[in-house]
Amino acid sequence: SQTIHQWPATLVQPVGSPLSLECTVEGTSNPNLYWYRQAAGRGLQLLFYSVGIGQISSEVPQNLSASRPQDRQFILSSKKLLLSDSGFYLCAWTRSSYEQYFGPGTRLTVT
Amino acid sequence: AQKVTQAQTEISVVEKEDVTLDCVYETRDTTYYLFWYKQPPSGELVFLIRRNSFDEQNEISGRYSWNFQKSTSSFNFTITASQVVDSAVYFCALRDGGFKTIFGAGTRLFVKA
Repeated sequence: SQTIHQWPATLVQPVGSPLSLECTVEGTSNPNLYWYRQAAGRGLQLLFYSVGIGQISSEVPQNLSASRPQDRQFILSSKKLLLSDSGFYLCAWTRSSYEQYFGPGTRLTVT
Repeated sequence: AQKVTQAQTEISVVEKEDVTLDCVYETRDTTYYLFWYKQPPSGELVFLIRRNSFDEQNEISGRYSWNFQKSTSSFNFTITASQVVDSAVYFCALRDGGFKTIFGAGTRLFVKA
């Protein structure tokens, strides 16, 4: 069966510090991968998606970036965090039937 | 353009009441997929159901049922005999010909004992 992991689960970082969130999928190959952000009490904002190694599509022109160094690994990064980067970050993957399966998420607080 | 509207921001019911969550979508594609997800307080989104645009058959799974009507571009979700454990945020979502899934703003359901 397929499993998706995210770490860390929670993170408190000062403004201006770097960020690296990791997502890995097990039990499938060549998945489409997605990063979403959810502000408190709000809906899901698509940040990036990837249909293959090294292929990244960006949905938001902010200080965040994403990389896919391996087939089942998706990394979200920032060189300098802003207060507005606080939120709940969710990684997801899709199978051929298109429904998305989400990881447990990372709660990021920028102070 | 794609759009998913969940007009109900919050719904509060008493346990054992039936509740319907509304979802209206917009797309120009003739082939598309509709979904419902549940987000409990723990935060992880859980996939509930997928519906294809060419399959308007309604579906029932235990206390959950879904009504898909292309004529009104709606994909409503009903919980029968609600329970406290149903308290969560529910998202309706749409995917058509691209790689992206568009989510509605979500409906927060409170079920009181």
